[in-house]
Amino acid sequence: GQQVMQIPQYQHVQEGEDFTTYCNSSTTLSNIQWYKQRPGGHPVFLIQLVKSGEVKKQKRLTFQFGEAKKNSSLHITATQTTDVGTYFCSGTDKLIFGTGTRLQVFP
Amino acid sequence: ETGVTQTPRHLVMGMTNKKSLKCEQHLGHNAMYWYKQSAKKPLELMFVYSLEERVENNSVPSRFSPECPNSSHLFLHLHTLQPEDSALYLCASSQGAGRDMNTEAFFGQGTRLTVV
Repeated sequence: GQQVMQIPQYQHVQEGEDFTTYCNSSTTLSNIQWYKQRPGGHPVFLIQLVKSGEVKKQKRLTFQFGEAKKNSSLHITATQTTDVGTYFCSGTDKLIFGTGTRLQVFP
Repeated sequence: ETGVTQTPRHLVMGMTNKKSLKCEQHLGHNAMYWYKQSAKKPLELMFVYSLEERVENNSVPSRFSPECPNSSHLFLHLHTLQPEDSALYLCASSQGAGRDMNTEAFFGQGTRLTVV
């Protein structure tokens, strides 16, 4: 079955440093979504990527979909304490989520 | 408020009890999902319903029994659970499912289940 892996599992950064999480699927995806879950909260949708090689930006967040549509990345520039949480990718074919990357930002 | 409401928010049950989790969505979506979230498996898909038909059953033990009486409501009936079933159970809804999925999934706040 489809598997979606994310690396790293955990990342601790100093506020102001950059952060990147990578998402890799065992199968080609029709599209991919990214979600953020704050501690004690529920996953909240961030963005959806559909086209091969697509890049989208939301303020300090940059999302990329690989050319083969099997991987994706989320890059945060100059992290802030409000970025703390777990970031999940999801291949929407079955809404199966990746293993998530937990981000901790130290002030 | 996400438009997806789960009740109860917290539940403690014994291994011989029978209980039900409820999920309600007011977004007009036609697909609903149950997920289990634990430290071991962050977001584990359990069931998917599309147009009130179960389209996915991800090898979930029979002690978990879903029910989708209409497109706005989803239940998860629990009986003879084990302590390892303790987790956060999240409900989600979306417009369409699978390759027909058009928009993002909206999650409820979850039910924190403890089996003693």
